[in-house]
Amino acid sequence: AQSVAQPEDQVNVAEGNPLTVKCTYSVSGNPYLFWYVQYPNRGLQFLLKYITGDNLVKGSYGFEAEFNKSQTSFHLKKPSALVSDSALYFCAVRDLEGYQKVTFGIGTKLQVIP
Amino acid sequence: ETGVTQSPTHLIKTRGQQVTLRCSSQSGHNTVSWYQQALGQGPQFIFQYYREEENGRGNFPPRFSGLQFPNYSSELNVNALELDDSALYLCASSIGTGELFFGEGSRLTVL
Repeated sequence: AQSVAQPEDQVNVAEGNPLTVKCTYSVSGNPYLFWYVQYPNRGLQFLLKYITGDNLVKGSYGFEAEFNKSQTSFHLKKPSALVSDSALYFCAVRDLEGYQKVTFGIGTKLQVIP
Repeated sequence: ETGVTQSPTHLIKTRGQQVTLRCSSQSGHNTVSWYQQALGQGPQFIFQYYREEENGRGNFPPRFSGLQFPNYSSELNVNALELDDSALYLCASSIGTGELFFGEGSRLTVL
């Protein structure tokens, strides 16, 4: 069965500093990986995805993520954090077998401090 | 193109009642999935519909059921509501193995 782990409940970073939100995954075949962001009392918004190709993928709002197959990781990064980046971030993996459901991690709260 | 819309946005029910939540998928998306997000948790997969057929289900009891209509809109029905059913219910549409597009959710409170 596929799974996603987000080891940090919360990440605090000063505005202007680089940020990293960690994610590791477990899946039987090749992974389709995603990052989503959720603002309070809102639905999830898609940020970026890795399907195949370059290990560094770029997404919305200046975010990027690095896929590392040997470490089964897909960490979310941004070179310079903004206060408006403060939100809940979810990593997700799609199972390419069966009905191809998407499994989400528990989420990491990002707090950017002015 | 319109995004995913869900209704109602908030509702309050009592234990034992039944509830129906509705979702209009994004234009052109033929797959709809439903997720339950309890407070402080990640979204948990309930089930998925593709071309009006349920083709996948998570670890939820049969009192959670759904429908998908020819225009790809969808309903989630929950019977015999329990207190633990209180959560944000999220609908997402997609095409193939692409990313999910979420609605804003329906916040259900069971008293």
